[in-house]
Amino acid sequence: GAGVSQTPSNKVTEKGKYVELRCDPISGHTALYWYRQSLGQGPEFLIYFQGTGAADDSGLPNDRFFAVRPEGSVSTLKIQRTERGDSAVYLCASSLTGGQMNTEAFFGQGTRLTVV
Amino acid sequence: GESVGLHLPTLSVQEGDNSIINCAYSNSASDYFIWYKQESGKGPQFIIDIRSNMDKRQGQRVTVLLNKTVKHLSLQIAATQPGDSAVYFCAEKPRNTGNQFYFGTGTSLTVIP
Repeated sequence: GAGVSQTPSNKVTEKGKYVELRCDPISGHTALYWYRQSLGQGPEFLIYFQGTGAADDSGLPNDRFFAVRPEGSVSTLKIQRTERGDSAVYLCASSLTGGQMNTEAFFGQGTRLTVV
Repeated sequence: GESVGLHLPTLSVQEGDNSIINCAYSNSASDYFIWYKQESGKGPQFIIDIRSNMDKRQGQRVTVLLNKTVKHLSLQIAATQPGDSAVYFCAEKPRNTGNQFYFGTGTSLTVIP
């Protein structure tokens, strides 16, 4: 596609439920990032994929959060036993390369997750 | 954690004037910087980037200046238009982490018609 696509755009879930957020990166981009943005704040890093592997998951807040990218393209961020504090906009970004090769990262529109 | 901060949380400018948005970063190991524009309800939009081996880079109506001595970054927008109204973030990428972009809290730019 022309840009990074994230689905759904909005998700409301009950506390304790499981949610999956999907990211379709720009075609050909090997690097994929997940960020989380709370109201009035800048995005905070969660996890970075280079190809299929999670090269850096140091930003995941706890073991309720997990992400996969099985074929090196689409990625899914999974949150178990959701809590109200998980409410935020979850952003996905992709770039042509990652790691020590610096190339611009392009963001999707985000998924607004609300845990009630 | 990293500290990427902006000097002014809000900025109002008259349409047609030039805008300058400032950003201070704390990690001298950062070697790549990006400015993003974020409109309400949308994801951050790439504006311009700069590598640490440069001190200035120009795009269409935008210029980014990097002063590594004082760890300062600025975004200059020429002839500001109402469509430029948004929150602007600077993001830094430290060489030693390799992967993470660190964002500041943002500056809200309002263009007065």
